[in-house]
Amino acid sequence: AQSVTQLDSQVPVFEEAPVELRCNYSSSVSVYLFWYVQYPNQGLQLLLKYLSGSTLVKGINGFEAEFNKSQTSFHLRKPSVHISDTAEYFCAVSAVSGGSNYKLTFGKGTLLTVNP
Amino acid sequence: NAGVMQNPRHLVRRRGQEARLRCSPMKGHSHVYWYRQLPEEGLKFMVYLQKENIIDESGMPKERFSAEFPKEGPSILRIQQVVRGDSAAYFCASSRTGGFTDTQYFGPGTRLTVL
Repeated sequence: AQSVTQLDSQVPVFEEAPVELRCNYSSSVSVYLFWYVQYPNQGLQLLLKYLSGSTLVKGINGFEAEFNKSQTSFHLRKPSVHISDTAEYFCAVSAVSGGSNYKLTFGKGTLLTVNP
Repeated sequence: NAGVMQNPRHLVRRRGQEARLRCSPMKGHSHVYWYRQLPEEGLKFMVYLQKENIIDESGMPKERFSAEFPKEGPSILRIQQVVRGDSAAYFCASSRTGGFTDTQYFGPGTRLTVL
């Protein structure tokens, strides 16, 4: 089984500041990694995903994340945030093997609030 | 292209009543997944369905919960005799195929409140 820990439930930042949202996971098997974003009253939208290859993954809206296998982390970063980035961000994993890689396991989410 | 639709967005039921949650996948998607988010928790997988088939229901509570995805119409998550502990947000996702490279697209969720 897998588990995901998002270390910060809320992250307030000022506009144009850099931000890092932290995500650590636990798993006995290799995993795929995902970040989703949920804007108010909308569904979850995929920001980026790591399946294999380069550990630095670039996503939409200027976000990127780095997979660190030794630290079992997949932190999300953006060098300069906008007011429109205010949303809830979810980190998720799925197992590579075992035939159930469609089964996503999510963290509790991090509410990013960008202030003017 | 319309996204994943869920209705109702908010549902209030009294203990012992039935709750029916509906999910219309994106056009061209034949794979549907249901997740539940309890208060202060992350989303948890409940069930995976293809048209007319349940592929994996390992995350579904053994009693009172059922899901279907008929040949025509939306997927339905049904909760019989609801209890207060069923209060949660229920999210539906869909994908074109069931492969690991295929993105799951999520709906806005249904917030169920049991009084």
